Amino acid sequence: DAKTTQPPSMDCAEGRAANLPCNHSTISGNEYVYWYRQIHSQGPQYIIHGLKNNETNEMASLIITEDRKSSTLILPHATLRDTAVYYCIVRYSRGYQKVTFGTGTKLQVIP
Amino acid sequence: SAVISQKPSRDICQRGTSLTIQCQVDSQVTMMFWYRQQPGQSLTLIATANQGSEATYESGFVIDKFPISRPNLTFSTLTVSNMSPEDSSIYLCSGDSGNTIYFGEGSWLTVV
Repeated sequence: DAKTTQPPSMDCAEGRAANLPCNHSTISGNEYVYWYRQIHSQGPQYIIHGLKNNETNEMASLIITEDRKSSTLILPHATLRDTAVYYCIVRYSRGYQKVTFGTGTKLQVIP
Repeated sequence: SAVISQKPSRDICQRGTSLTIQCQVDSQVTMMFWYRQQPGQSLTLIATANQGSEATYESGFVIDKFPISRPNLTFSTLTVSNMSPEDSSIYLCSGDSGNTIYFGEGSWLTVV
């Protein structure tokens, strides 16, 4: 079973920040939070991952709560091309383990 | 990032036939997985492709229906056998580099 829960859908105005929440209350100490997105049934694209510190890259920022039971993916200036399904998963960074996906959040960026 | 190539990218298949999907990954990948994504659904893990040995299947998936091979570190195949319209899905190959998992672009199968 998936270890994460996400809202099924969200809307965001173009140019505004998109904040996508994820609950992972059963995360273990060695598990990382990963985010992927899937645009119109292409293969999922890796976005970002983190353990407990906040992370930022050219695509997004990841904010993980201090208790690590939830996180938020932030797309700082959403564009129409960010319309996609966003998946939050947890896994060991170097454990070579299988990963199960939840239902994800369908983000619709509105002009 | 790892490069993962799948083929065919899409196909239309007759009921009762079988189709083999090929997946080629670059050398960064150690573990390989196969997923299915039915229309409008999330990804479902079919199996872990083990190099040189039988794949490890998830509950609900069996070797007779989805035989998988992985003859070497960078290549794997998934066969969808005796297809029915319910097998119409996207089939995705993924590779784990240890640091993260990468996905191919998927193979769209439509069974008529």
